[in-house]
Amino acid sequence: NAGVTQTPKFQVLKTGQSMTLQCAQDMNHNSMYWYRQDPGMGLRLIYYSASEGTTDKGEVPNGYNVSRLNKREFSLRLESAAPSQTSVYFCASSRLEPGQGETGELFFGEGSRLTVL
Amino acid sequence: LAKTTQPISMDSYEGQEVNITCSHNNIATNDYITWYQQFPSQGPRFIIQGYKTKVTNEVASLFIPADRKSSTLSLPRVSLSDTAVYYCLVGDTEGYSTLTFGKGTMLLVSP
Repeated sequence: NAGVTQTPKFQVLKTGQSMTLQCAQDMNHNSMYWYRQDPGMGLRLIYYSASEGTTDKGEVPNGYNVSRLNKREFSLRLESAAPSQTSVYFCASSRLEPGQGETGELFFGEGSRLTVL
Repeated sequence: LAKTTQPISMDSYEGQEVNITCSHNNIATNDYITWYQQFPSQGPRFIIQGYKTKVTNEVASLFIPADRKSSTLSLPRVSLSDTAVYYCLVGDTEGYSTLTFGKGTMLLVSP
């Protein structure tokens, strides 16, 4: 029972480098989400995807791009990394589509710790 | 937009009941209330979800008054392993911002 799998778990980048965080879920969920968590802060939504082929901005989308490759996979790309993007990134999925009031249970991955020097 | 307010931290002792209250004055009619638990270096984990009155599962109870402007997560007989951050999340009919977790409540359980 893998659930939500994120890769890589750790990454160090230099300012200006690009990278992609990968996320895959095996629960046949419709919705997928990318969050970032900074020390002492809650989780802030970066982007979400209500279904395959659709993506929408969350609270903090600047500096990021996403791709919902298929129903299973939702990737987050940093085109030109900045120190302000040093954070722990969490991917999540849900059976339910957003906007209905009942979010259902969000299943989270173990997180990807990114450091930008 | 529905915004949540929780205490920053709470302290308790093993075996006690802990009640964490979340304020959400602007909750939308169709929004549900969900609570999550997060341990260090892990993603949040679902605890319980409800719409009104009382919901109970094997680990917690959720009390929601008639006006739904607040909710209380009740953890019976906590143990050291319940030390974690607890987040209250309110629905999402008002848009994506309600899918953002606040700073949560850091619960410290002592022997």
